[in-house]
Amino acid sequence: DTEVTQTPKHLVMGMTNKKSLKCEQHMGHRAMYWYKQKAKKPPELMFVYSYEKLSINESVPSRFSPECPNSSLLNLHLHALQPEDSALYLCASSQDGQGITEAFFGQGTRLTVV
Amino acid sequence: RKEVEQDPGPFNVPEGATVAFNCTYSNSASQSFFWYRQDCRKEPKLLMSVYSSGNEDGRFTAQLNRASQYISLLIRDSKLSDSATYLCVVFGAHAGNNRKLIWGLGTSLAVNP
Repeated sequence: DTEVTQTPKHLVMGMTNKKSLKCEQHMGHRAMYWYKQKAKKPPELMFVYSYEKLSINESVPSRFSPECPNSSLLNLHLHALQPEDSALYLCASSQDGQGITEAFFGQGTRLTVV
Repeated sequence: RKEVEQDPGPFNVPEGATVAFNCTYSNSASQSFFWYRQDCRKEPKLLMSVYSSGNEDGRFTAQLNRASQYISLLIRDSKLSDSATYLCVVFGAHAGNNRKLIWGLGTSLAVNP
């Protein structure tokens, strides 16, 4: 079962709000990812966790704060976002910690910042 | 040269047609190769991993040419449901940091009745 579950599916938040996106996988995958995707663009990598440790931060602004509480869960904490942060936020996981194997995506959270 | 390059299309083909997409990559040390499919406003879904020996899954065939640094995807007997964006993804494509997936911009396919 290649399933990555993300909640919520849709989120509207104000620029002063704090919210969190959640991602869960029960495939025993060792790498988990956050991507951001704008319309008609490919996914853009934000963070990679490998064996529950942050291994890549693609110079993401600090208003985005990732957290990996355990090997199955990945959160993305949002604070003081800007309207240009509105996008589809995708969580993914892959079996090996390096990301060499296939990555499987959740359905995404469509975020609108107002 | 872009790290991973695809023809953006759009490709408009009739049902039943055969269509082929190519994708070139710049780093000869790239390690893994994938094709993903993405429908409008949905998440990318893995279509195929691409192996050195080539692989086939029903109407879909993927091939890797390391010498020329490209991968291809062939779709036979196109269905209306094949209409989507096809994304070429390469692991290790980035010469400066080869520990991540690099995505092409995608090729748009429209299969018409």
